[in-house]
Amino acid sequence: AQSVTQLDSHVSVSEGTPVLLRCNYSSSYSPSLFWYVQHPNKGLQLLLKYTSAATLVKGINGFEAEFKKSETSFHLTKPSAHMSDAAEYFCVFQPRGGATNKLIFGTGTLLAVQP
Amino acid sequence: NAGVTQTPKFQVLKTGQSMTLQCAQDMNHEYMSWYRQDPGMGLRLIHYSVGAGITDQGEVPNGYNVSRSTTEDFPLRLLSAAPSQTSVYFCASSSLQDQPQHFGDGTRLSIL
Repeated sequence: AQSVTQLDSHVSVSEGTPVLLRCNYSSSYSPSLFWYVQHPNKGLQLLLKYTSAATLVKGINGFEAEFKKSETSFHLTKPSAHMSDAAEYFCVFQPRGGATNKLIFGTGTLLAVQP
Repeated sequence: NAGVTQTPKFQVLKTGQSMTLQCAQDMNHEYMSWYRQDPGMGLRLIHYSVGAGITDQGEVPNGYNVSRSTTEDFPLRLLSAAPSQTSVYFCASSSLQDQPQHFGDGTRLSIL
């Protein structure tokens, strides 16, 4: 069965320190993978996407993620957290092929940034 | 640029009432979807459409109907609201199968 797991429901960091949000997936095939961010009372905004090109993907606002097939992981990182990064982050799996456009969402990681 | 527009932003209903959540996109996207977001559960797919006149069920379709008469619009109907349908509803669209989806800002629905 295809699935995506976000390993931490809450992460708290201090401003200026690195951010690591962990995501693992389960699939027999190489998927498309995305990270989305959701600020309070807003919709989801795409941070970055992996679609089988480079394994290190750079996104907006200084975020990046590395696709590691051997570890079935797609962790999100940022070298230095900013207060504005406080939000909920979703790792999203999209099966390749097929006639539909269906996404499988992780349960989310709430990132708190302390001053 | 409007993107994906959802109306209303907030709504309170009584059990048994019906209503339609509106979703419109101005990007000429073929794919449109409705999700519900509940605490600790991420987003779950309710219904989706791959083009005008074509709809299909997602993971949690019971209690919801959709139609897609135009490329731009994809309304979600609750025929007889139940408290279990209290949630935040998101509409999304994308141009192609493997392209990222664009999300609206959501409709926050409470059913008493």
